Amino acid sequence: IQMTQSPSTLSASVGDRVTITCRASESLGSLLAWYQQRPGKAPKALIYKASTLESGVPSRISGRGSGTEFTLTIDDLQPDDFATYYCQQYKTYPWTFGQGTTVELK
Amino acid sequence: QVQLQESGPGLVKASQTLSLTCSVSGASVDSASYYWNWIRQPAGKGPEWIGRIYTTTGSVNINPSLKSRVTISVDTSRNQFTLKMTAVTAADAAVYYCAKSGAGAGLYYFNAWGRGAQVTVSS
Repeated sequence: IQMTQSPSTLSASVGDRVTITCRASESLGSLLAWYQQRPGKAPKALIYKASTLESGVPSRISGRGSGTEFTLTIDDLQPDDFATYYCQQYKTYPWTFGQGTTVELK
Repeated sequence: QVQLQESGPGLVKASQTLSLTCSVSGASVDSASYYWNWIRQPAGKGPEWIGRIYTTTGSVNINPSLKSRVTISVDTSRNQFTLKMTAVTAADAAVYYCAKSGAGAGLYYFNAWGRGAQVTVSS
């Protein structure tokens, strides 16, 4: 299954609301996860089952969608949120990731 | 809290075998609750799932693009699992991560990761 994220890069300011879109080439139901990756670090799970927040992740981060279209929204963007975000499907082998969306400081 | 740590040679010669070990603490690799995964990430690219092992049944799932070259095994006495990849080429240069995922429905995402091991392939 091919995962396509948009945009590839997003410029934003602290306090902004940002939304990243992930589209799947086949229906996933809700079997999609979102990850945050800071430079030089391992990815960190934020969302699973499309909209369930991983323990310890702030509630200003949310996920929506089902089937083939999904979104990750970050409200009140904080300095720690400037990073690269990946979606990942776990509906069908092999599990696959999107190419990433980098949220950068405007 | 589950912690994972990759170890192994950071430099592998082309055509040879890459071997990495993931040491797990805070959870047992033979737990029925978890799968143990390998994921890699070439520089500047998104992650690529390599494969996983479920110790309870011995089940191993490998990405078809790598299946002919990859073996994943587990050592329950040391609480470790291992990746072996044969006939490496420059395209296999990446940061290699080990990661844990759940074994229940809807829980196959990666909820704990190691720090990663940089692997360079020399000619």
